Amino acid sequence: EVQLVESGGGWVQPGGSLRLSCAASGFMFSSYAMSWVRQAPGKGLEWVSAITGGGGSTYYADSVKGRFTISRDNSKNTLSLQMDSLRGEDTAIYFCAKDEHTIPAEYFQHWGPGTLVTVSS
Amino acid sequence: DIQMTQSPSSLSASVGDRVTITCRASESISSYLSWFQHKPGNAPKLLIYAASSLQSGVPSRFSGSGSGTDFTLTVTSLQPEDSATYYCQQTYSTPLIFGGGTKVEIK
Repeated sequence: EVQLVESGGGWVQPGGSLRLSCAASGFMFSSYAMSWVRQAPGKGLEWVSAITGGGGSTYYADSVKGRFTISRDNSKNTLSLQMDSLRGEDTAIYFCAKDEHTIPAEYFQHWGPGTLVTVSS
Repeated sequence: DIQMTQSPSSLSASVGDRVTITCRASESISSYLSWFQHKPGNAPKLLIYAASSLQSGVPSRFSGSGSGTDFTLTVTSLQPEDSATYYCQQTYSTPLIFGGGTKVEIK
């Protein structure tokens, strides 16, 4: 059974940093691209970033480019999102999602439950 | 970037009604279109992928159609548990944009 579990969310001041992790199990992690998707309070879903199965290529939404870094450790079946220079508008629930192809994107069948990030002074 | 315009933004319908949600891409995305159901506190749930393929386990009252730039999600007989927000998403090219969402309320 595919399982994705995010961690690392919490409260941080504007300008601060936070690192999210997504622990994956139940599938050959290195064979699939992975994405981060977020939902700000009262807003819709927003795709944030994606990474290929091998980790060699990364993709970002314009809203986070230059501030967020996606990475993966295929030996530990872990996806990460390093978030720097955080802003109030980054406050959201962050979900990791598994793609159905090694490169983005096919479709997102499996999602984690999400982790809440709050950016506030 | 490809933009996704979803309509309506909300609707209210009765149990048993047929409901249609549309999604329009700013340029052709072939059939690289997914539909999700999202309820508060839960992860989004994949309903339809590749524009018209029903995800395993999803009730057959849900269906998707379209290709190119115009797509439709149809619920043939709305049920109380279908109260949720529905999103389309294009997976043709990054950024993998979602539509703005359609909030479905049961009268």
